[in-house]
Amino acid sequence: QLQLQESGPGLVKPSETLSLICTVSGGSISSPSYYWGWIRQPPGKGLEYIGSIYYSGSTYSNPSVKSRVTISVDTSRNRFSLKLTSVTAADTAVYYCARHDRRQWLGIDYWGQGTLVTVSS
Amino acid sequence: SYELTQPPSVSVSPGQTASITCSGDKLGDKYPCWYYQKPGQSPVLVMYQNNERPSGIPERFSGSNSGNTATLTISETQAMDEADYYCQAWDSSSAWVFGGGTKLTVL
Repeated sequence: QLQLQESGPGLVKPSETLSLICTVSGGSISSPSYYWGWIRQPPGKGLEYIGSIYYSGSTYSNPSVKSRVTISVDTSRNRFSLKLTSVTAADTAVYYCARHDRRQWLGIDYWGQGTLVTVSS
Repeated sequence: SYELTQPPSVSVSPGQTASITCSGDKLGDKYPCWYYQKPGQSPVLVMYQNNERPSGIPERFSGSNSGNTATLTISETQAMDEADYYCQAWDSSSAWVFGGGTKLTVL
């Protein structure tokens, strides 16, 4: 059974960089069938897509955060990461890592449990 | 940027049929997916490719998509179906886009 687990600081100061890691178990991040992505959800609000990465390093992301986002993959450790720079209170959210097929119409089939990141001084 | 619009809330009586809509420009040309999310839990995929159910999702769940509107239909709605529902679609300029979510209440 595939499992994804987010990890990283739960508190980040304004203007600093948010860094999260998603560790994948029960499957290989190097599978050619899947992308690995990040989605966030501010408290009490809806879902917002951040971006995704392929095992080769190819990425795409939401234009609204693209200038601040870096997503990278470490196939040797079977994990991928998110960096979001210049954070503000608006970046406070539960951050989910997830898996989706290369064929976008198949949707996001596996999600991590999510980790709350609060931006505050 | 591409946008998807959902009603904030839908109410249904137990055993009745609930319909949740998702609207977007030429959405019928895309293949929206649907997720439900219960409080404190991660989202769960309930529909993809317009009307395909992942394994484990009851047949009571069905989907349709035409024109500018996709619809998730839940027949014989049960109390356990009460959740937030999100539609999602891929757009070449915006990547993945989620609707704002619909809170389904089973009264």
